[in-house]
Amino acid sequence: TQLLEQSPQFLSIQEGENLTVYCNSSSVFSSLQWYRQEPGEGPVLLVTVVTGGEVKKLKRLTFQFGDARKDSSLHITAAQPGDTGLYLCAGVGAGGTSYGKLTFGQGTILTVHP
Amino acid sequence: DVKVTQSSRYLVKRTGEKVFLECVQDMDHENMFWYRQDPGLGLRLIYFSYDVKMKEKGDIPEGYSVSREKKERFSLILESASTNQTSMYLCASSLGFRINYTFGSGTRLTVV
Repeated sequence: TQLLEQSPQFLSIQEGENLTVYCNSSSVFSSLQWYRQEPGEGPVLLVTVVTGGEVKKLKRLTFQFGDARKDSSLHITAAQPGDTGLYLCAGVGAGGTSYGKLTFGQGTILTVHP
Repeated sequence: DVKVTQSSRYLVKRTGEKVFLECVQDMDHENMFWYRQDPGLGLRLIYFSYDVKMKEKGDIPEGYSVSREKKERFSLILESASTNQTSMYLCASSLGFRINYTFGSGTRLTVV
């Protein structure tokens, strides 16, 4: 079973601050996805990164896939209260019995205070 | 947009009951998945299916079974519910293993 370690588990910051969430694994993934989940709802896909070293930007959110495709980060610039939620990373298995299956990190609960 | 619908948002069941959780998707996706979500543990894969009448065990299949008689419907069955199966259950579907997953809104199951 592949493991994806996500940190930090909790993040409480003031509006306007920057933050970074990390996902790390010893396994190689074919791609990595980031989701955001609101209370009482299912996760919603934000972005998929596929190529090692790839960087994608979604407004104030920057996603990076590690060169070896084993890790990823999510950076939020000038966080706003509307960014509050649970952020999940998920790796898509690259081979063997993990091929095509999503492995999720534990999640980061982000709270942005006005 | 793909829609994944889970039949119940909240369920309360008694220990030992047989429980059915239903999931329906409307975009002809081949692949469907059942996850459970627990605080600090993220989402863990219970079962998945890549075609009608096909099923594969995920990481935590014990105590669960599934049924996929039609392409659009994937059911999760708790044969004899136990309190440690109290959790949020999420269904997802996808067109291919490298393509985006769409999740339902979840069913919060409490076993008393």
